[in-house]
Amino acid sequence: DTGVSQDPRHKITKRGQNVTFRCDPISEHNRLYWYRQTLGQGPEFLTYFQNEAQLEKSRLLSDRFSAERPKGSFSTLEIQRTEQGDSAMYLCASSFPTYEQYFGPGTRLTVT
Amino acid sequence: EDKVVQSPLSLVVHEGDTVTLNCSYEVTNFRSLLWYKQEKKAPTFLFMLTSSGIEKKSGRLSSILDKKELFSILNITATQTGDSAVYLCAVSQLTSGTYKYIFGTGTRLKVLA
Repeated sequence: DTGVSQDPRHKITKRGQNVTFRCDPISEHNRLYWYRQTLGQGPEFLTYFQNEAQLEKSRLLSDRFSAERPKGSFSTLEIQRTEQGDSAMYLCASSFPTYEQYFGPGTRLTVT
Repeated sequence: EDKVVQSPLSLVVHEGDTVTLNCSYEVTNFRSLLWYKQEKKAPTFLFMLTSSGIEKKSGRLSSILDKKELFSILNITATQTGDSAVYLCAVSQLTSGTYKYIFGTGTRLKVLA
């Protein structure tokens, strides 16, 4: 399968714990995006990488969120000291060269 | 503030009906408008529109963009139960070399047999 993959698909954690998600984009895509989606809403932009450089980070993203893309391949999104409001679907998407985004299956986070 | 607004929020039709979904936008540095279909999983890409007045078509689905009036429509003819999904509209903007995508809240379509 050469699509975007994400791991894990589901994560249940207790409030206050740290979690890390992984995204593997389509191999030739140099742009990678993270989104958060809650029920009844469209995906909300979190952050964007071009190759290994993080070019933009939403001001909605608190300091508890950090993302990396070492070597411009896979990316990780870490949430520290999780809160119940962090419960959502976290989507990763990649694009290149025609700029339509292709989404991964998402990681559903539940914070109890 | 940049925004993408979709209407209606939800729609229930019967198989065979034709539906029109709307997307209006106010986004700086517009580059393209995209339509996605989302079932109980991640969005899947349908169309990307960059030029006004040029219809894109794929089977029973078609879409067109009006860059003057800042809206797009997605038409689905002869609907089937498999068309039941949330249809998302997104607009890409290019600012300082960065592409960013702004999504609407989606239109939830239910097609009854």
